[in-house]
Amino acid sequence: DTEVTQTPKHLVMGMTNKKSLKCEQHMGHRAMYWYKQKAKKPPELMFVYSYEKLSINESVPSRFSPECPNSSLLNLHLHALQPEDSALYLCASSQDTAGQGNTIYFGEGSWLTVV
Amino acid sequence: TQLLEQSPQFLSIQEGENLTVYCNSSSVFSSLQWYRQEPGEGPVLLVTVVTGGEVKKLKRLTFQFGDARKDSSLHITAAQPGDTGLYLCAGAPRDSWGKLQFGAGTQVVVTP
Repeated sequence: DTEVTQTPKHLVMGMTNKKSLKCEQHMGHRAMYWYKQKAKKPPELMFVYSYEKLSINESVPSRFSPECPNSSLLNLHLHALQPEDSALYLCASSQDTAGQGNTIYFGEGSWLTVV
Repeated sequence: TQLLEQSPQFLSIQEGENLTVYCNSSSVFSSLQWYRQEPGEGPVLLVTVVTGGEVKKLKRLTFQFGDARKDSSLHITAAQPGDTGLYLCAGAPRDSWGKLQFGAGTQVVVTP
């Protein structure tokens, strides 16, 4: 089973709303990631968690707040977003961090529209 | 600056033709992955290559990792409409610790 599950599939939120994206994997992977992808562009790394600790934050605005409640779950809390934050948000996981030759598996993504 | 140069950016071919997508870099990668992505979906892993000079086959898809682990190619034989999608190469540079580098992607369209 190489499945990363993301919910919701689609989310529409206003600029004053607070919402969360959720991600789950049961592959025993110890690294989890959030990526943002705009249309016809490659995914852009936002955050990396390694062994439930935030190891990389790619200078992401504080209106995006990641959380790793346990080794299987990863959340992305959203608050006061801007319309330009509308994108496909991808969760991913790997056995360990990619630099050691491990493979990253992506979820199906959460389509976010900020109105 | 794109660490991984992927070419071509767009490829439109007829069913039954062959195609090759290239991924090149001046950096050495500990591993390199190829993904295919359909609109509105997440990237689906096709293959991971780890060893320099490695060749892997997945049905009509052949993946090659350069001897120096700086480049890779994806060759599709007798393309079918189901091969249509965005193909992404992604590499893990040495000591990247989670920072997977992506190519810009190749949009492949196979028409019947």
